[in-house]
Amino acid sequence: EDQVTQSPEALRLQEGESSSLNCSYTVSGLRGLFWYRQDPGKGPEFLFTLYSAGEEKEKERLKATLTKKESFLHITAPKPEDSATYLCAVQTLEYGNKLVFGAGTILRVKS
Amino acid sequence: DAGITQSPRHKVTETGTPVTLRCHQTENHRYMYWYRQDPGHGLRLIHYSYGVKDTDKGEVSDGYSVSRSKTEDFLLTLESATSSQTSVYFCASGGTGGAGGANVLTFGAGSRLTVL
Repeated sequence: EDQVTQSPEALRLQEGESSSLNCSYTVSGLRGLFWYRQDPGKGPEFLFTLYSAGEEKEKERLKATLTKKESFLHITAPKPEDSATYLCAVQTLEYGNKLVFGAGTILRVKS
Repeated sequence: DAGITQSPRHKVTETGTPVTLRCHQTENHRYMYWYRQDPGHGLRLIHYSYGVKDTDKGEVSDGYSVSRSKTEDFLLTLESATSSQTSVYFCASGGTGGAGGANVLTFGAGSRLTVL
């Protein structure tokens, strides 16, 4: 059974304290791995798509990386406005156009 | 204007009553999805559509049905609501613009349903 596991469940950082969120997956035939950001009371907002091991993408203070078993979302010098829930999702050849989501990591950045 | 809208945004109903949630997208996306989000479970797929009148079940489809009569509209119906269906429901749409057919999804703002 395909699984997507995110860790930690929750993370508290001081402003400027860099850290990483993890998304591990046990799927076959990965088509793409996605990162989304979700603010309270809103729908998820797309951040990145990664397609193959070794790929990296950056956006402002965020950098996503991908290996054959996991993805990391690195947050460099975070600010309070980076506080949100970060969701990871995978799309596989077997499940076609369905995305399987992890439970998310709740990030709180204090000033 | 938002590319995808959901209605109603909030609804309180009683056990046993039918409920329909509506999703409208202006992106001309082929694929549309209904997810539910519950604490500790993340987003779980209820049903999805890969074209007009073409739908398929997701991992938590029991008690739900869907219909898609136009590209832009996707309806989720709870025939007889139960308390276990209290949740936040998200609609999403996506095309096939990614490498290998990977879909980037655009989500609506969510519909909070409470079943008493």
